[in-house]
Amino acid sequence: DIQMTQSPSSLSASVGDRVTITCRASQTISSYLNWYQQKPGKAPKLLIYGASSFQSGVPSRFSGSGSGTDFTLTISSLQPEDFATYYCQQTYRTPHSFGQGTKLEIK
Amino acid sequence: EVQLVQSGAEVKKPGESLKISCKGSGYSFNTYWIGWVRQMPGEGLEWMGIIYPGDSDTRYSPSFQGQVTILADKSINTAYLQWSSLKASDTAMYYCARHELGCSGSDCNSEYFDHWGQGTPVTVSS
Repeated sequence: DIQMTQSPSSLSASVGDRVTITCRASQTISSYLNWYQQKPGKAPKLLIYGASSFQSGVPSRFSGSGSGTDFTLTISSLQPEDFATYYCQQTYRTPHSFGQGTKLEIK
Repeated sequence: EVQLVQSGAEVKKPGESLKISCKGSGYSFNTYWIGWVRQMPGEGLEWMGIIYPGDSDTRYSPSFQGQVTILADKSINTAYLQWSSLKASDTAMYYCARHELGCSGSDCNSEYFDHWGQGTPVTVSS
């Protein structure tokens, strides 16, 4: 199985901050990397697929980059509704494993 | 509008069987894979497996192979997750999600879960 490792596991930031979350794969996954946002008590929501493509309706402050084994999710200017847990997922090979999550909290 | 509606909360005893459901609407159910994802209390997301309702082709994570069965009934646009003998460690939230295949740039092999059910909480306790 491909292991996905996110860093940091948790992060405190303020409204307006620029935040970057990193995801590393245990082997190359080309650009088959997705990002999801999950708020407490809710189902995950797709933000980014194919490493850098926006899902419809996702604000432009979210962006994704990377290929191979190293990927990033950037939020350019944090808004109050962005405080949530973020997960990466590889779809290069089944099982389509998720990272362990990054919890973004208000400072 | 694409919707996935899951069955309600379940409370079961160890050793009991269970089948939870996920009904799709607003799209061609037979032509999209449906996946199941586990989230144990306070933990992250775990990919369990996917099924293609058109022909019931199924792929399991090795971690869940033999532990659960993923089924689909295309005549009623419904996917299922089934246990024959529950354990306390099966206590979790279970999500179904539609598995889409899309294009990112010139690469049209991107796969992702684009629509999710609301989740079914399962509690297994004696």
